[in-house]
Amino acid sequence: EPEVTQTPSHQVTQMGQEVILRCVPISNHLYFYWYRQILGQKVEFLVSFYNNEISEKSEIFDDQFSVERPDGSNFTLKIRSTKLEDSAMYFCASSPGGLIDYGYTFGSGTRLTVV
Amino acid sequence: GNSVTQMEGPVTLSEEAFLTINCTYTATGYPSLFWYVQYPGEGLQLLLKATKADDKGSNKGFEATYRKETTSFHLEKGSVQVSDSAVYFCALGNYGQNFVFGPGTRLSVLP
Repeated sequence: EPEVTQTPSHQVTQMGQEVILRCVPISNHLYFYWYRQILGQKVEFLVSFYNNEISEKSEIFDDQFSVERPDGSNFTLKIRSTKLEDSAMYFCASSPGGLIDYGYTFGSGTRLTVV
Repeated sequence: GNSVTQMEGPVTLSEEAFLTINCTYTATGYPSLFWYVQYPGEGLQLLLKATKADDKGSNKGFEATYRKETTSFHLEKGSVQVSDSAVYFCALGNYGQNFVFGPGTRLSVLP
């Protein structure tokens, strides 16, 4: 069964450093998403991406965040200057279409720890 | 806006017990409803879904029925196993909008 692949599975970084979280969505999917889950809390929407541009973003997704699809397969989330409160599990997801009947396919997540 | 409410956890059951995890939602229009499961140390996996009123989603012995009249999508399983121990998230998706997740319910099944 096709998967969404995320790398790395765990990243530790110092406060103020830049991090890039990588995702390989399912190949024929057109819509891509990032969500995050702070430990023990709910899963929160960050951003959606379609046709090489952001289609929607939440209040969490401020100027320190950016997303990019640098080639035909990767979808990245960059955090420019990490803060302690950015420590969370970050999930990438993809879906075949804008209609949500299919559900999203999520990756296994990247656990980001900011120290 | 759209929102999802789930019963507070943690829920602790003995093996073979009956499970119900309540989920209610608020939404405009005709959302699709989902249950996702997160096993310890893993990502989110789609467990089941229902796309219209009165649909029943089912998978791995779990089932949930989309009840528009009560705006509910309760998750049930007749006989839980230790391997069902996980966090369960109810989620809602609406056309043109993004998924909204409930806060999650942690289930622990004891042998």
